[in-house]
This record gives sequence, C-alpha cells and structure tokens, in this order.
Amino acid sequence: GQNIDQPTEMTATEGAIVQINCTYQTSGFNGLFWYQQHAGEAPTFLSYNVLDGLEEKGRFSSFLSRSKGYSYLLLKELQMKDSASYLCAVAFNDYKLSFGAGTTVTVRA
Amino acid sequence: DAGVIQSPRHEVTEMGQEVTLRCKPISGHDYLFWYRQTMMRGLELLIYFNNNVPIDDSGMPEDRFSAKMPNASFSTLKIQPSEPRDSAVYFCASSLGGSGSPLHFGNGTRLTVT
Repeated sequence: GQNIDQPTEMTATEGAIVQINCTYQTSGFNGLFWYQQHAGEAPTFLSYNVLDGLEEKGRFSSFLSRSKGYSYLLLKELQMKDSASYLCAVAFNDYKLSFGAGTTVTVRA
Repeated sequence: DAGVIQSPRHEVTEMGQEVTLRCKPISGHDYLFWYRQTMMRGLELLIYFNNNVPIDDSGMPEDRFSAKMPNASFSTLKIQPSEPRDSAVYFCASSLGGSGSPLHFGNGTRLTVT
C-alpha cells in the first residue's frame, strides 16, 4: 500500500517550535505536499518538496529525504492561529495525491 | 478568482434518497478531484478527471456512486441510493496539473444521511 504515517497529535506553547514528521513508501514517489486544515474548513496548500533538502517559507519550512522516505514540516514562532491539522500528502506515479491521517497541533498560551 | 465552488454546503437526507453534489473548478485548471473525509478514514480520493475525462475511479466505493464532468466548469458526484455510512464531508479540488501543482480545495459539502 501507500502507507503515509504521521503522528496523531502534538501540543506546543505559543512562540515555540514544532516539527511534524511524515514517512511514506518510496516506490513511485513523485512529490510531497503539506496542507493545513483548520477545523470545519478546507485544506490549504503550505509547501511542496520533490528534491532533497529544505524549503523555507516564512515561519514554515519543509524538509525531504527521498532515500529515507521521510519529510518533516517545521513550524516556528508558533501562534495560536497555527492550531490546526497538518496533512502530509504524497503523489505516487501520477497526479493523484494520497493523504496521511493528519497531525492535530494544539498551541497553548 | 472565486476559487473552487461547491454546493450545497450542507445536505441532510434520509437513507435511500438520491444525493447530488456539485462543483465548479477554478477556471483554467485541467484536473478535478473528488475526495471524501471522515474521522475514521481521513481524506480518500474517490475519482479524478483530466480535461473532463475520468482518469481513475478506483476510489469510488461502489456502484451507488457516480461522477460526471460534462464540461470544464462543472462536475457532479451522485449517490443513489444513499446510506448512513456515506455521511462525510465531500471535497472537490482542482489543479493545473503537472508536477508540483497543488490542489485547491472547495469548502466541501457536509453530508448527513439518516
């Protein structure tokens, strides 16, 4: 199967850093996306990685290691509005995305 | 651009009834996807289209589900007859296609079948 694994929940304090890990099977890999989904809303695109390394976008960064089948999303300077579910999604062989179950991040004051 | 538009936002129906969900993709996007989200199973791809042609419907649960895309600006997902286990949020998404093209999701339709 196309198992995409990420932790179920994470809790952090406002202003802190949180790292959300994602592992996936490497066969047929064609790119990895991270999405943010607030409760009751649609997922919104955060980042895309297809080559090894770190992509930085403001407070959010995403890392990929293709050989290890591993990615992480790094959220820095956490704000209350960052409380949401973060979804790791992988494209295998074509354009359709398979999503992980999501990691619920709770930011506490 | 208004983004991906879905209707209705909420649908409550009784078991056995027909349900039709509608989607208008972003203009110029060649790919359209239908996903279903539940607490138990997360986001599941049901079917996707390229240039109005269904490419992969392997995620469609069973014959009760059907999807059409009669033109580039409109798609429907139909469930007939509906069952309580179909209760979920159904998302439509579109993209330009090509490596790295992100999906743009609509606000979803929350379906409740009683």
